[in-house]
Amino acid sequence: DAGITQSPRYKITETGRQVTLMCHQTWSHSYMFWYRQDLGHGLRLIYYSAAADITDKGEVPDGYVVSRSKTENFPLTLESATRSQTSVYFCASSDQAGGDTQYFGPGTRLTVL
Amino acid sequence: AQSVAQPEDQVNVAEGNPLTVKCTYSVSGNPYLFWYVQYPNRGLQFLLKYITGDNLVKGSYGFEAEFNKSQTSFHLKKPSALVSDSALYFCAVRVYKFYFGSGTKLNVKP
Repeated sequence: DAGITQSPRYKITETGRQVTLMCHQTWSHSYMFWYRQDLGHGLRLIYYSAAADITDKGEVPDGYVVSRSKTENFPLTLESATRSQTSVYFCASSDQAGGDTQYFGPGTRLTVL
Repeated sequence: AQSVAQPEDQVNVAEGNPLTVKCTYSVSGNPYLFWYVQYPNRGLQFLLKYITGDNLVKGSYGFEAEFNKSQTSFHLKKPSALVSDSALYFCAVRVYKFYFGSGTKLNVKP
């Protein structure tokens, strides 16, 4: 199906483990984003990418790593998970030709024990 | 610093009544303004946006928003609320990057 997908939808891990959240879009949008959603904070930008092999930090990048070797994929890695990274993570994509409207994936609920 | 404020954590309205969800912003330059809606356990869905032109923007599901440059506001409105409108609403501003408000929970009671 066309659109933007995230996997896994739910993940439980332990402190110190490496976790990778996947994001895939089928629109060939140039921009992709990772956000985390926490109660009281709304959405906070972690990293974004303007194109393949171009990434930049957002508001809360510490503890996260991203890569974008292909336009359609934008994985987010927590190198050593901490309890403070328990959150809901959303991936989004946009295209400047579309007026920068962002389209969001369904989210990944991550729990770090 | 760029910021987006949604001053109400929650808005309660009776079905059939008009609703307003407030958003104000403080950014440099001329921003693009957006409203998104989030239903439980779902990602955000685009409702409407303002880039330029008419200050009243119409969007999905009967929603509209009014851009007020002097008050730096972009309030979301609907003439007649439905129970199915109950959800979490986010205002967002784009100036180079996207900045989201903290969200307003809309409760529409039958």
